[in-house]
Amino acid sequence: AQSVTQLGSHVSVSEGALVLLRCNYSSSVPPYLFWYVQYPNQGLQLLLKYTTGATLVKGINGFEAEFKKSETSFHLTKPSAHMSDAAEYFCAVIPIIQGAQKLVFGQGTRLTINP
Amino acid sequence: DVKVTQSSRYLVKRTGEKVFLECVQDMDHENMFWYRQDPGLGLRLIYFSYDVKMKEKGDIPEGYSVSREKKERFSLILESASTNQTSMYLCASRSPRRRNVLTFGAGSRLTVL
Repeated sequence: AQSVTQLGSHVSVSEGALVLLRCNYSSSVPPYLFWYVQYPNQGLQLLLKYTTGATLVKGINGFEAEFKKSETSFHLTKPSAHMSDAAEYFCAVIPIIQGAQKLVFGQGTRLTINP
Repeated sequence: DVKVTQSSRYLVKRTGEKVFLECVQDMDHENMFWYRQDPGLGLRLIYFSYDVKMKEKGDIPEGYSVSREKKERFSLILESASTNQTSMYLCASRSPRRRNVLTFGAGSRLTVL
């Protein structure tokens, strides 16, 4: 079965520092890949997605992610963290081979920004 | 923008009570989903619905049922709530025209005592 692993349930960085949130998936066929963000007391909203085409994907709020097939990874980065980036981040996949198109989520990574 | 509204943000129920969680979307989306969110486990799919009166079990359907009588409304039902169903419940909808993108509601935090 398709699975998604986010390395690190908590990540803490200083304001202005690089943000790197890791996501690996297990699939013999590259799936569709997503990052969602959840701010406190809110639902999830889409940050960015990869389906086909360019492997470096840019999203909202200065985030980007790169699909690396050889590493089965889709890590999320942002060059300079802002206090407003504090939230929980979820990586998710849709296995292309499955007709149901159900999203499978990782465990989530809580990002803390230190002043 | 699509709005997905979960009518109850916070609920407290007692063990054995019947619980209804309501979700309404305003953009005529065919697909609707119920997820459960727990710390360290991410989001797990309980049920989803392709269209009116159509439903399919997700990964953790035990103890839950759903109802989709109208396109805009997808209800999650706990027939007899138990303490291990204390959780955050998230509803989402999706348009076939944007097949891959889910729009989420703000969530319903349920506590079962």
